[in-house]
Amino acid sequence: DTGVSQDPRHKITKRGQNVTFRCDPISEHNRLYWYRQTLGQGPEFLTYFQNEAQLEKSRLLSDRFSAERPKGSFSTLEIQRTEQGDSAMYLCASSPFAPTNTGELFFGEGSRLTVL
Amino acid sequence: AQSVSQHNHHVILSEAASLELGCNYSYGGTVNLFWYVQYPGQHLQLLLKYFSGDPLVKGIKGFEAEFIKSKFSFNLRKPSVQWSDTAEYFCAVNFPDMRFGAGTRLTVKP
Repeated sequence: DTGVSQDPRHKITKRGQNVTFRCDPISEHNRLYWYRQTLGQGPEFLTYFQNEAQLEKSRLLSDRFSAERPKGSFSTLEIQRTEQGDSAMYLCASSPFAPTNTGELFFGEGSRLTVL
Repeated sequence: AQSVSQHNHHVILSEAASLELGCNYSYGGTVNLFWYVQYPGQHLQLLLKYFSGDPLVKGIKGFEAEFIKSKFSFNLRKPSVQWSDTAEYFCAVNFPDMRFGAGTRLTVKP
């Protein structure tokens, strides 16, 4: 399968614990995005990378959240000291860099976080 | 601030009925417009997109959308829905970072 893959698909944790999600984008895609989606809402932008550089972060991304893409390939999203409000689906998407970029994002199936 | 609004939260139709889902955005500049679909248990995938040119764009599975610049709208249409169109539909706008509407859940009754 050459699509965007995310791991784990579902994580249940207790409040206060740290969790980490991994995203492997489509191999030739330079851009990688993280979104959060809660029930009844559309995906909310969190951050994006171009290669290993984190170019933009949403105000939604509090200092408990950190994302990395150390070698410009896979990315991790870590949430420290989780809170019940962090329960959501965390989506990763990738896209090729311009000029081949048509703006389309290719999404993974998401990592669902449940904080008890 | 830039935003994307979808007017219908949940739409229920019978097979063969016509569909129109509303989408409006607030931004005065040039935008790229998208509709994504999420079938039950699947990831988001692109349905269609508008960049420039003909404001009536056609996508997969018989869907089309019309960009009306004066109304800041990009409504999705399909003349005759099928049961397999049951899904959640998201309008998205590249501001340039991609922002999504809240989504419209479409249920098609067989």
